[in-house]
Amino acid sequence: GQNIDQPTEMTATEGAIVQINCTYQTSGFNGLFWYQQHAGEAPTFLSYNVLDGLEEKGRFSSFLSRSKGYSYLLLKELQMKDSASYLCAVRSGGYNKLIFGAGTRLAVHP
Amino acid sequence: IAGITQAPTSQILAAGRRMTLRCTQDMRHNAMYWYRQDLGLGLRLIHYSNTAGTTGKGEVPDGYSVSRANTDDFPLTLASAVPSQTSVYFCASSDGTSGNNEQFFGPGTRLTVL
Repeated sequence: GQNIDQPTEMTATEGAIVQINCTYQTSGFNGLFWYQQHAGEAPTFLSYNVLDGLEEKGRFSSFLSRSKGYSYLLLKELQMKDSASYLCAVRSGGYNKLIFGAGTRLAVHP
Repeated sequence: IAGITQAPTSQILAAGRRMTLRCTQDMRHNAMYWYRQDLGLGLRLIHYSNTAGTTGKGEVPDGYSVSRANTDDFPLTLASAVPSQTSVYFCASSDGTSGNNEQFFGPGTRLTVL
């Protein structure tokens, strides 16, 4: 079966660092995406990993271990505007069909 | 317009009625997708289209149909709505079907079926 797990909720302090984990079990693997979704809005793309290792993009980094079926999103220097849901999605098989986790709701407080 | 638009923004519908959710993109993307998002379940793919003239079934296609007559438009039809189809519906598009082809999402349609 296809399964993607991520924590339901997390809280963190402004200025701190937070790591959001994602584990997956899928019948195939062709890339992992992270999206950010503010309440009542559409998801927006954050990062893409297809090879093992760390991809850094400004305050956000994403890591992938294909052998462990594991990824994390690292958010540094947290800002209040980072309060949102973070969605982990795996492309399994062809045609860019994504399987999404349920999302992690992050609350950043002063 | 720029990006993806969806209409209507929200709709309340009586069970048994037919409803078409509209989606239009102006990025000339080949691939388009329809998802529904429910609390605690995340986004689930309903139908997709890799290119104009072709469609395919996603994870939860029952009760929904789509068409792709041209590149820009990808309407989703509920032939006879049921309360379990109450959800937020997102349309998305991507330039291709492999590599780092991120999906761009529309603003969503909030549908309530009574």
